[in-house]
Amino acid sequence: AQSVSQHNHHVILSEAASLELGCNYSYGGTVNLFWYVQYPGQHLQLLLKYFSGDPLVKGIKGFEAEFIKSKFSFNLRKPSVQWSDTAEYFCAVNAYNAGNMLTFGGGTRLMVKP
Amino acid sequence: DVKVTQSSRYLVKRTGEKVFLECVQDMDHENMFWYRQDPGLGLRLIYFSYDVKMKEKGDIPEGYSVSREKKERFSLILESASTNQTSMYLCASRAGGSDYIEQFFGPGTRLTVL
Repeated sequence: AQSVSQHNHHVILSEAASLELGCNYSYGGTVNLFWYVQYPGQHLQLLLKYFSGDPLVKGIKGFEAEFIKSKFSFNLRKPSVQWSDTAEYFCAVNAYNAGNMLTFGGGTRLMVKP
Repeated sequence: DVKVTQSSRYLVKRTGEKVFLECVQDMDHENMFWYRQDPGLGLRLIYFSYDVKMKEKGDIPEGYSVSREKKERFSLILESASTNQTSMYLCASRAGGSDYIEQFFGPGTRLTVL
């Protein structure tokens, strides 16, 4: 079974700082990769996704992520964070042979100080 | 817009009680899911359903059961609630099909078992 690791559980940044959240997965076959975000008191929503093609994918609100197959990684980045980016971020993987199933990482709580 | 609703945002129950968590989606989705969300553990799949009256166990089904009598509604049942089932419960739905398609999440039910 696949697993997903998010190494940073809590991250605190000042506004305008750059962000990189790590995500590694443990499945050797074809995968679909996702980042979800949960703002305080809100639904979990999709930030961006990778299915195939260009390994650098861009999502909403200036976020991007890079799929590096050789490192089994899908790190999330943003050049300059804002206070409104304070949220919990989840990486998730759908292995090609896993049908409908998503496996989630443990989440990273990001706090952006104004 | 897809809408996934859950019957309660907050619920407090006593040990041994039977608990019903309801989820309704309005987009005629074939697939529905129940997850629990715990700090540091991310989202873990309890059960999912790919059609009416069909269900499959997820990663942590022990202590839970589900019911799907109608396509739009997926219920999670705790037969005899225990304190270790205190958690945030998230419902999700997605359309059917062989290719992976985004899951849409409800707002969550925060269950406390005393």
